[in-house]
Amino acid sequence: DAGVIQSPRHEVTEMGQEVTLRCKPISGHDYLFWYRQTMMRGLELLIYFNNNVPIDDSGMPEDRFSAKMPNASFSTLKIQPSEPRDSAVYFCASSSGKMRVHFGNGTRLTVT
Amino acid sequence: TQLLEQSPQFLSIQEGENLTVYCNSSSVFSSLQWYRQEPGEGPVLLVTVVTGGEVKKLKRLTFQFGDARKDSSLHITAAQPGDTGLYLCAGHGQNFVFGPGTRLSVLP
Repeated sequence: DAGVIQSPRHEVTEMGQEVTLRCKPISGHDYLFWYRQTMMRGLELLIYFNNNVPIDDSGMPEDRFSAKMPNASFSTLKIQPSEPRDSAVYFCASSSGKMRVHFGNGTRLTVT
Repeated sequence: TQLLEQSPQFLSIQEGENLTVYCNSSSVFSSLQWYRQEPGEGPVLLVTVVTGGEVKKLKRLTFQFGDARKDSSLHITAAQPGDTGLYLCAGHGQNFVFGPGTRLSVLP
């Protein structure tokens, strides 16, 4: 089991550019979560999917953020346009049921 | 909105010492989890507690869920440098929320 795989591990981009973060959940898991972690705000849930359907996107900061899950093995989180305040580590996580959540190693995003 | 608070925010101790970190809320949770996160990695689940008053042990780590299911503690006996990391509690209630974490540093 390779675990939750995220790419890229690091992303540096200029303000105004589009950023796409990618996630491959653990095979067989029916929940997928996107989190953002910063020193100031800790770990924040952005959105989660159940069986590829978005269930709760109330944590998505604003319309610049969007997430998709076209199939059970792939999800993307897109920021367009990016801003310096979006700089953070973004984690994808998956679980079978909602109890035992497995996290990826994150994408460290820096927007200059 | 259900919120979790953790204390202390930072803790630096010598190898061999014991320590306790706390996770508190004014809300009741159906279950509570503890995670450890190391630099450059995602959080890793350590334990889930479900019943009020429940105590679980994982080697040198002892986890307790409060009787009212509003708080929890993590006690580490004879801490080792490998215990260094960010300890996060997370509660399942109306939502699934994480606390801000306790950053533990164990010095050799």
